[in-house]
Amino acid sequence: DTAVSQTPKYLVTQMGNDKSIKCEQNLGHDTMYWYKQDSKKFLKIMFSYNNKELIINETVPNRFSPKSPDKAHLNLHINSLELGDSAVYFCASSQDGAGLTEAFFGQGTRLTVV
Amino acid sequence: ILNVEQSPQSLHVQEGDSTNFTCSFPSSNFYALHWYRWETAKSPEALFVMTLNGDEKKKGRISATLNTKEGYSYLYIKGSQPEDSATYLCAFLNSGGSNYKLTFGKGTLLTVNP
Repeated sequence: DTAVSQTPKYLVTQMGNDKSIKCEQNLGHDTMYWYKQDSKKFLKIMFSYNNKELIINETVPNRFSPKSPDKAHLNLHINSLELGDSAVYFCASSQDGAGLTEAFFGQGTRLTVV
Repeated sequence: ILNVEQSPQSLHVQEGDSTNFTCSFPSSNFYALHWYRWETAKSPEALFVMTLNGDEKKKGRISATLNTKEGYSYLYIKGSQPEDSATYLCAFLNSGGSNYKLTFGKGTLLTVNP
């Protein structure tokens, strides 16, 4: 029973398309995150939501919009996809938003924009 | 920009060897340090969350120490096994500002040869 699940695992799409990546956690956590693994393999925070409210919004193009219908879900919608958006995107959750508890990660979505 | 450096970048050891690697982070405004283990094709899994200077934590053959005054943490693996092969990530959390976000290092890739 996967704690943090994200779909799809792989996504290949053309430039200019709009796509969504879904994330769900069944841990009862209040905080969820989206991370991007960049070309240098660093994991970088994109967004953080606590109980459906946005608390971290890093310098991310506004083509990226997170949506949290409830505290167990944090979906990532990307408009007008560009080649540079190709990366692996990880969803995560934690019990608190203050960083004092471990984060649980999904298995990642490899997005390839062609 | 917060720099979190991990060394070495990669490490090959023989089964049964003990090994250690380093995570360096800014010593000011320390809040917490996380260690994660990331196996290929899986998601990062938390090992430790450390908050106090002098903290030592242990999980089986893996242990970690923390020195917040000089800005480093060591991860030790005793009697390495092939299943320990993974990338070990550290992530630093500072207390500056109202948003808490983890800054990840690039990781140390450990390969344990049978």
